[in-house]
Amino acid sequence: ETGVTQSPTHLIKTRGQQVTLRCSSQSGHNTVSWYQQALGQGPQFIFQYYREEENGRGNFPPRFSGLQFPNYSSELNVNALELDDSALYLCASSSRKRMETQYFGPGTRLLVL
Amino acid sequence: SQELEQSPQSLIVQEGKNLTINCTSSKTLYGLYWYKQKYGEGLIFLMMLQKGGEEKSHEKITAKLDEKKQQSSLHITASQPSHAGIYLCGANPGNTPLVFGKGTRLSVIA
Repeated sequence: ETGVTQSPTHLIKTRGQQVTLRCSSQSGHNTVSWYQQALGQGPQFIFQYYREEENGRGNFPPRFSGLQFPNYSSELNVNALELDDSALYLCASSSRKRMETQYFGPGTRLLVL
Repeated sequence: SQELEQSPQSLIVQEGKNLTINCTSSKTLYGLYWYKQKYGEGLIFLMMLQKGGEEKSHEKITAKLDEKKQQSSLHITASQPSHAGIYLCGANPGNTPLVFGKGTRLSVIA
């Protein structure tokens, strides 16, 4: 059984650029959630994907978008990067059951200059 | 919306000492998750509590859920340097996504 993996581990971008982050879910999991964690804060929910469709969204603007693929891996895309987008981006996978445990990847640290 | 407040925000303990971290919810808790995070890394699942009064242990870490107080506590016995990190509690308002507290940063000194 493989765990959740994310790529890249680190990324530096400049304001206005676009970025794509990737996540491979744990074997057997069909749901992927993305979180943004600013320094010193807890993770904040961005959105969730279940069977390739968005299944819930947090308080993030439309320039944050995502995809889920048939193999349940996922991408997070952020357009028009702003300085405040600098954060650790975490993805978590789970199975579609109530009260399921989410397993997190190691995260991608994004720095926007 | 549900909010989770963790206390203390940070903690420095001497190796071998016991410690407790608390997580208080602004709304009824239907489930409570505890995760550990090393600085700048992903979250490691510790345990999940679903019922009031439930208590679970993982090695030297014990967590309890008090539904009436809308609170959970995490207790570490005989702390070790390997326990150092950020402890995060997360709640499940009804289903995913999780709502998290801001975390408690634990340092263990020899």
